[in-house]
Amino acid sequence: QSALTQPPSASGSPGQSVTISCTGTSSDVGGYNYVSWYQQHPGKAPKLMIYEVSKRPSGVPDRFSGSKSGNTASLTVSGLQAEDEADYYCSSYAGSNTPYVFGTGTKVTVL
Amino acid sequence: EVQLVESGGGLVQPGGSLRLSCAASGFTFSSYEMNWVRQAPGKGLEWVSYISSSGSTIYYADSVKGRFTISRDNAKNSLYLQMNSLRAEDTAVYYCARDLTGLGELSLGYWGQGTLVTVSS
Repeated sequence: QSALTQPPSASGSPGQSVTISCTGTSSDVGGYNYVSWYQQHPGKAPKLMIYEVSKRPSGVPDRFSGSKSGNTASLTVSGLQAEDEADYYCSSYAGSNTPYVFGTGTKVTVL
Repeated sequence: EVQLVESGGGLVQPGGSLRLSCAASGFTFSSYEMNWVRQAPGKGLEWVSYISSSGSTIYYADSVKGRFTISRDNAKNSLYLQMNSLRAEDTAVYYCARDLTGLGELSLGYWGQGTLVTVSS
């Protein structure tokens, strides 16, 4: 199972929006509504930000939103804040023997 | 409060073995599926292995199949990863992770702090 494809980097100024893509295939992203997004600050464990394409766990600000079209999922961070600077990873269910396949990761920089 | 605490990492020679543990607290461990996820230094996340709540269903990534064994002891609230025939490319921080609600949403809502495994001579 190959990793999902994400852009290596993305950036925006405080208050702006940034959107990160996550491209897979019909066997993972396109085939199921089990796409999640994780935020990881340096030296820390990942934190779940979005699950089932567009749902937010309790405590995650509504500035974070998710969507999916075909084989590509997207994470949008609106109203960028300094603390949003981190690495972001998508993941998807990829069939019964592969519950998780992760994306290549995107480093978000707040300018 | 959900807590996952990994231990057992360290330096091991290529071809060697290591057993990681993950102590769970703050929830009914026996009701939740568990996973191991790793991250090589400076690299992205890689799912390693899954085990169902009862331990009856297990999956592995192709990169570790035949070398790693996941297990759990629900009486001890503990998850394990036995790693044999270790290679340099297994060097990583290993995280144990639990799904968010136990309702099959296939998202890792809780993570431990990770334990570093270094495979080197």
